[in-house]
Amino acid sequence: AQKITQTQPGMFVQEKEAVTLDCTYDTSDPSYGLFWYKQPSSGEMIFLIYQGSYDQQNATEGRYSLNFQKARKSANLVISASQLGDSAMYFCAMRELVYNQGGKLIFGQGTELSVKP
Amino acid sequence: DADVTQTPRNRITKTGKRIMLECSQTKGHDRMYWYRQDPGLGLRLIYYSFDVKDINKGEISDGYSVSRQAQAKFSLSLESAIPNQTALYFCATSTSGAYNEQFFGPGTRLTVL
Repeated sequence: AQKITQTQPGMFVQEKEAVTLDCTYDTSDPSYGLFWYKQPSSGEMIFLIYQGSYDQQNATEGRYSLNFQKARKSANLVISASQLGDSAMYFCAMRELVYNQGGKLIFGQGTELSVKP
Repeated sequence: DADVTQTPRNRITKTGKRIMLECSQTKGHDRMYWYRQDPGLGLRLIYYSFDVKDINKGEISDGYSVSRQAQAKFSLSLESAIPNQTALYFCATSTSGAYNEQFFGPGTRLTVL
């Protein structure tokens, strides 16, 4: 069963506007972490933001924030004031901490974001 | 200097050839991982290692082998490459603590003809 689902293969946003990238997850692990990575066309994986399952507040890192709704099992990434350099593929990933001692990340299929000038 | 390096960055090889992808890290992390990325499928785990003596298969280990030569080095081998192993390969590292992010290398783009 798919554990991380990103339902938006591609998204467009106007420069300087905010955009939300969706991510839903499925786990029975009582403790887990959720990550977002950015992959520009050059190919490298860039860590953006992290949310722990027991964190009380939504994570924020500069223009990135994570809208964490635990009951709905969603961890959407919000990018405020989009910039042309935000055009990239974005991956949501999960790390299960009790059932998955290896610490491996489970990735979604990704969302390709294009920022229009 | 990059904390996680991969060599080669690009490689074209022929079906049946043996090929090794190398990963080195200067972060001092215990855990190292090899992922494969195919278009539309995200990243999938091939192998991971907790330390030099602890190596584990991931979800797509068939056709691959690994070697953890030292804490800082983790190599991935394709014993007999086939075209459907054409992909982007990433090495990653992390500490063993909870909630720690994985740091990725720049990737190796492998093409098997």
